[in-house]
Amino acid sequence: DAGVIQSPRHEVTEMGQEVTLRCKPISGHDYLFWYRQTMMRGLELLIYFNNNVPIDDSGMPEDRFSAKMPNASFSTLKIQPSEPRDSAVYFCASSPAGSWDAGANVLTFGAGSRLTVL
Amino acid sequence: DQQVKQNSPSLSVQEGRISILNCDYTNSMFDYFLWYKKYPAEGPTFLISISSIKDKNEDGRFTVFLNKSAKHLSLHIVPSQPGDSAVYFCAARRNDMRFGAGTRLTVKP
Repeated sequence: DAGVIQSPRHEVTEMGQEVTLRCKPISGHDYLFWYRQTMMRGLELLIYFNNNVPIDDSGMPEDRFSAKMPNASFSTLKIQPSEPRDSAVYFCASSPAGSWDAGANVLTFGAGSRLTVL
Repeated sequence: DQQVKQNSPSLSVQEGRISILNCDYTNSMFDYFLWYKKYPAEGPTFLISISSIKDKNEDGRFTVFLNKSAKHLSLHIVPSQPGDSAVYFCAARRNDMRFGAGTRLTVKP
């Protein structure tokens, strides 16, 4: 398995532009998580899905952020409009249901998407 | 709200010595605690975990200790090696998984 695949790896955009980050979880994994890493706050949980359904989006900073999971093999995180304070590394992670529900808890992370908003 | 806290942003130790990374949490409902390791330009990778019903878990050079009364856990690396230099994240699970801000460990040869 190729692991969790994220794209793009790097994105530089201007304030006000729309940004879309993409994630392909490991096949068979039912849980998908989006995290944001910043120097000040470390790894923040933004939203997570179970079987393509958003379970908790309380970590999404504001209405400019939205996430979707149209099928089991694809998720997007969209920022519209983007602002300089959104600059961070965004990680996607997945976990199989059996593992998560049984308490094994191991998340497999992608390599991240580094976003810079000028 | 920072439910998981790593108060030391960095730690430097000599090769062969012990590295101790600390983590505090506020939510007594967490049922599992984990440590992840992150190299530059890569995603975090799982290192070791401990259930809330235990106080110690060991895996080779890595040992995690849990003190529930103090809401504190620590990761011990013995002996430390230069390849251990990375950012270490403490994480805690209830319905989801919450991470600390990370501690950058540097092991000097």
